[in-house]
Amino acid sequence: DTAVSQTPKYLVTQMGNDKSIKCEQNLGHDTMYWYKQDSKKFLKIMFSYNNKELIINETVPNRFSPKSPDKAHLNLHINSLELGDSAVYFCASSLRSGSGSNIQYFGAGTRLSVL
Amino acid sequence: TQLLEQSPQFLSIQEGENLTVYCNSSSVFSSLQWYRQEPGEGPVLLVTVVTGGEVKKLKRLTFQFGDARKDSSLHITAAQPGDTGLYLCAGAPGNQFYFGTGTSLTVIP
Repeated sequence: DTAVSQTPKYLVTQMGNDKSIKCEQNLGHDTMYWYKQDSKKFLKIMFSYNNKELIINETVPNRFSPKSPDKAHLNLHINSLELGDSAVYFCASSLRSGSGSNIQYFGAGTRLSVL
Repeated sequence: TQLLEQSPQFLSIQEGENLTVYCNSSSVFSSLQWYRQEPGEGPVLLVTVVTGGEVKKLKRLTFQFGDARKDSSLHITAAQPGDTGLYLCAGAPGNQFYFGTGTSLTVIP
């Protein structure tokens, strides 16, 4: 079983559409994250949830809305997609938050292409 | 300016060569991590260093944390094609986790 799984793996859509990416972890972790990796491979945190509560919300357009129905799931909904949203989005989880030595486990990524 | 700067950004070497990747910051970290990311996959943790001056070895990989806990290095001995990938350092000066700018390594057989 994959520890952190996200779907879909590829997402191709038109500008202006709304799309969602789903993420699930079966590790029993309390904390989940969304990262964006741009074309230069820079990995930047977007959001972090601890036990379904938002604890990190980086400077991200409010077109991006994370939702955590339970601590095993963290979905990302994106409204009014723009060309600049094209990137690879990674979901990750860790046992807990607030420590730089936490091990983060990553999903395989969702490659979003906005046309 | 990124919090964690890595150098070099790209590295292409022949199998059997040695290499060093650097991760530098002006901030102090309680710990630093190194991840490797292969194409089409997410990053995977290689090591965590927590003590200034600490050296950790993982087979042919040697990781060092600077004495002032502001920088780290990754040295690979006798690189193999399987070492090809994107190497990322990461750390949290506070509660926020930051990744470095990345080093893309290609080892040519």
